[in-house]
Amino acid sequence: GAVVSQHPSRVICKSGTSVKIECRSLDFQATTMFWYRQFPKQSLMLMATSNEGSKATYEQGVEKDKFLINHASLTLSTLTVTSAHPEDSSFYICSARIPEIYEQYFGPGTRLTVT
Amino acid sequence: EDQVTQSPEALRLQEGESSSLNCSYTVSGLRGLFWYRQDPGKGPEFLFTLYSAGEEKEKERLKATLTKKESFLHITAPKPEDSATYLCAVQAGGFNKFYFGSGTKLNVKP
Repeated sequence: GAVVSQHPSRVICKSGTSVKIECRSLDFQATTMFWYRQFPKQSLMLMATSNEGSKATYEQGVEKDKFLINHASLTLSTLTVTSAHPEDSSFYICSARIPEIYEQYFGPGTRLTVT
Repeated sequence: EDQVTQSPEALRLQEGESSSLNCSYTVSGLRGLFWYRQDPGKGPEFLFTLYSAGEEKEKERLKATLTKKESFLHITAPKPEDSATYLCAVQAGGFNKFYFGSGTKLNVKP
């Protein structure tokens, strides 16, 4: 149980274009999902917390207009990187929390490369 | 300031050589401490949740323990397939407030 999927697993895009990453909880309903960014050989950096049906809460230093997060249903959250630049290249990971318990379950991650 | 520190940063073991990874924390209102395993290029895989001091949990060659200030992940007779980065995270205060450590990269040689 507690499976989280992400799509796509890898994406290459050109500078200036936008990219959407989907995060789905497959066997449970997630009222809260999290988006992380991970640089090589570093730990996870929380970007934002999204709650179903409401606006995402962004961490300090994360640009809201650049990283658009939508949590439209209890099983789906999306992260759109707008006007991507090479410095946005990174490993993006989502996680979902089962309601009323504390654990987070992570997706497999999406490798974004901006050329 | 709420903080989670993992040590060592990297650990090299021979197959069968048991050892422990440490996660120390300074947070207010601990709700839970979590251990994850992360393989290169993949998302973290959930291992354990510990809620209160004195609690222990086991899974195969792994055993996690918790005190009021730190947690240990004991690895007994490790195998090469145990090689990975082990992450510790703490939930404190709000329901969605998590703090991650920087991880311990474990390399088990045959």
